[in-house]
Amino acid sequence: GQNIDQPTEMTATEGAIVQINCTYQTSGFNGLFWYQQHAGEAPTFLSYNVLDGLEEKGRFSSFLSRSKGYSYLLLKELQMKDSASYLCAVRPLGQGGKLIFGQGTELSVKP
Amino acid sequence: GAVVSQHPSWVICKSGTSVKIECRSLDFQATTMFWYRQFPKQSLMLMATSNEGSKATYEQGVEKDKFLINHASLTLSTLTVTSAHPEDSSFYICSASGGTTEAFFGQGTRLTVV
Repeated sequence: GQNIDQPTEMTATEGAIVQINCTYQTSGFNGLFWYQQHAGEAPTFLSYNVLDGLEEKGRFSSFLSRSKGYSYLLLKELQMKDSASYLCAVRPLGQGGKLIFGQGTELSVKP
Repeated sequence: GAVVSQHPSWVICKSGTSVKIECRSLDFQATTMFWYRQFPKQSLMLMATSNEGSKATYEQGVEKDKFLINHASLTLSTLTVTSAHPEDSSFYICSASGGTTEAFFGQGTRLTVV
């Protein structure tokens, strides 16, 4: 089976850096995704990691350690519009594009 | 990125009636489509996986006779909530995959059963 854990909520200050952690346990692993979701909207793709290491994309970076079953999403130069839910999702091996989502981390960015 | 269109965006229906939600891939062929449900303050829960031309695979605990999924073409999948009840009120989201790494999400459908 699969188990994905991430903090329920976090608060950070505009302009700061925040790291959202995600730990997972899966019977087979074929990649980890991070999505951003604003209330009432569908998730939007942020990043994808399948190999160990850091993937950087503008203000967003994502890290993966497969041996530790651990990932984090790093958001730099926080803006008010970054207030949203951030979803960690794992793709199990051999199941096509199926994703298993964590419960999401509600990030509040304060002025 | 690829575009997935989901319709309707929101729907209100009476208890006992059926509601159909459409998911279309507009600029690519979706060999696989996924249907998720999301209750308030909760994450996305996968309901079923559908492959074009074959029966959907339902996740444990999801009633296949209540949530009918049809994937008749490479660009369209439908989810029909039959005999809807207030507890079926939720946010339903589809995603479509053309065989590449990423699956693209539709904009979601807010279903309210009164």
